[in-house]
Amino acid sequence: KAGVTQTPRYLIKTRGQQVTLSCSPISGHRSVSWYQQTPGQGLQFLFEYFSETQRNKGNFPGRFSGRQFSNSRSEMNVSTLELGDSALYLCASRIESSSYNSPLHFGNGTRLTVT
Amino acid sequence: AQSVAQPEDQVNVAEGNPLTVKCTYSVSGNPYLFWYVQYPNRGLQFLLKYITGDNLVKGSYGFEAEFNKSQTSFHLKKPSALVSDSALYFCAVRDNGNYGQNFVFGPGTRLSVLP
Repeated sequence: KAGVTQTPRYLIKTRGQQVTLSCSPISGHRSVSWYQQTPGQGLQFLFEYFSETQRNKGNFPGRFSGRQFSNSRSEMNVSTLELGDSALYLCASRIESSSYNSPLHFGNGTRLTVT
Repeated sequence: AQSVAQPEDQVNVAEGNPLTVKCTYSVSGNPYLFWYVQYPNRGLQFLLKYITGDNLVKGSYGFEAEFNKSQTSFHLKKPSALVSDSALYFCAVRDNGNYGQNFVFGPGTRLSVLP
């Protein structure tokens, strides 16, 4: 079974631009979460989507947005990029079950550099 | 609110010696606990989880973790460390009384296994 796929792996953007990152979850996984990882702040939760609906949201400004499609693929968008948005963006999927104890499965991330 | 602490930024251990990476947590309900490992330029890989039952949980690559409810801890252990175990380790918690709640990750502990 293929794992979580994130594209692109690397991105270099300029301040003020916008960027879209893509995530394809493991087949059958309907929950997709996004995390930002930086050396100073660690792993910070951005948002989670389930069945095309945002279920949870972290404490990030409105410049960060996401969506999920009917095939569970997800995109996140960052508008008006700032230098501080440079980070590794990780997508994770999980299978939903009645006991909701299944782990997250992560992709290898998109490394975004804002110059 | 949920929280996870990993009191050590860095753990150094000699190859062949036992290793312990510490984790303490706080949740309002009963916890679901997870350990993940991250190698350079990769996403997080799931190692093991505690849901209920035996306090000693066995996982991938010879790792195990001990759940201690009274100390609210979930320390990761391995009887004999390998150089290839050198990586960044994250503990995570999810409150099982709150369906749809996101995972909360600790700040990470960098493990260095010295040959």
